[in-house]
Amino acid sequence: GAGVSQSPSNKVTEKGKDVELRCDPISGHTALYWYRQSLGQGLEFLIYFQGNSAPDKSGLPSDRFSAERTGGSVSTLTIQRTQQEDSAVYLCASSLSPTRNEQFFGPGTRLTVL
Amino acid sequence: AQRVTQPEKLLSVFKGAPVELKCNYSYSGSPELFWYVQYSRQRLQLLLRHISRESIKGFTADLNKGETSFHLKKPFAQEEDSAMYYCALKKGETSGSRLTFGEGTQLTVNP
Repeated sequence: GAGVSQSPSNKVTEKGKDVELRCDPISGHTALYWYRQSLGQGLEFLIYFQGNSAPDKSGLPSDRFSAERTGGSVSTLTIQRTQQEDSAVYLCASSLSPTRNEQFFGPGTRLTVL
Repeated sequence: AQRVTQPEKLLSVFKGAPVELKCNYSYSGSPELFWYVQYSRQRLQLLLRHISRESIKGFTADLNKGETSFHLKKPFAQEEDSAMYYCALKKGETSGSRLTFGEGTQLTVNP
């Protein structure tokens, strides 16, 4: 079956603009995660959704970042008033459940803020 | 807070040589440890996890709780092993499922 998909694959925006990044998890996966991969750094956890529970937002770097997951499936990560330091690859992953820990990653969205 | 350290950003070996990618962690509980790999122009994927105690593509990793390490080893490296390798930690089965990643090691296997 299809893996995790993300769109767009690349996004170039101007400083101060808002962007939306989309993630389609694997069908039936209840857990969804967003990570950020910045140049020269590892993967940084951003936010985690599990079913209908309140999301774990502890990794969001500022209140300019928000995410939602509609209908327990598709998720959107929104960055408001983008800054140059937001430039990174944003990765989405999903897993069957929190205890079935293999996280399947999408191809990522490369965000460039000019 | 938990932390994962991969001391080598770059590692270069020759084909057929042994390779060891180092991973150390700090966490007071009982973690689950993973190695993820990202080949060129491919997405990040799970290589192995410590609870499985299996060998994948000739790689093994043993969790050493005394030394808080989870080093990845392969006795004879192949050119196709060239990739970015990430060590990751999860705070045990019953905890929230987020992974804490190290900064990664870029492995190059030369012919």
